[in-house]
Amino acid sequence: SQTIHQWPATLVQPVGSPLSLECTVEGTSNPNLYWYRQAAGRGLQLLFYSVGIGQISSEVPQNLSASRPQDRQFILSSKKLLLSDSGFYLCAWSGKGHYGYTFGSGTRLTVV
Amino acid sequence: AQSVTQPDIHITVSEGASLELRCNYSYGATPYLFWYVQSPGQGLQLLLKYFSGDTLVQGIKGFEAEFKRSQSSFNLRKPSVHWSDAAEYFCAVGARGATNKLIFGTGTLLAVQP
Repeated sequence: SQTIHQWPATLVQPVGSPLSLECTVEGTSNPNLYWYRQAAGRGLQLLFYSVGIGQISSEVPQNLSASRPQDRQFILSSKKLLLSDSGFYLCAWSGKGHYGYTFGSGTRLTVV
Repeated sequence: AQSVTQPDIHITVSEGASLELRCNYSYGATPYLFWYVQSPGQGLQLLLKYFSGDTLVQGIKGFEAEFKRSQSSFNLRKPSVHWSDAAEYFCAVGARGATNKLIFGTGTLLAVQP
């Protein structure tokens, strides 16, 4: 069966520090991968998605970047965190057919 | 571009009462529609989905939703709410295409009174 792993679960980082959040999927190949950010009262905002290795699409201009170095690995990064980067980050995957997403358990990022 | 509106930010119901959570979408064609549930501090779990065909879809945990094209709605219902249903519920719409992108509503937080 397919599983999705996301870590770390919580992270507290100072302003200006770098960020790396990792997401990996098991049990499937060539998935679509997604990074969402969730802020209170604002639902889920799609940040990046990828349909294949090295293929990254950005939905909103921001201080973050994403990479997909391997088929089932999706990384969210920042060179210098801002206070406004705080939030709950969710990784998700889907197959090529539209069957909905499977989400990871999320990372709570607090920038101080 | 597609969008989703969940007009109710917060709803409180009594245990055993019926529930309806509203969802309205905007999309130029027949969309894919989803309902997800999120417990505090957790990821989202898929409750049900609509692609085509029968407009009343059944999901897990006793939930159902009805697609009404004329109203651009996809409301979630449950005939009798349990205390364990307290969570946040998100409606999402997906465009038909290779990217499978989902656009989510802002969510409805459900509280269940004993």
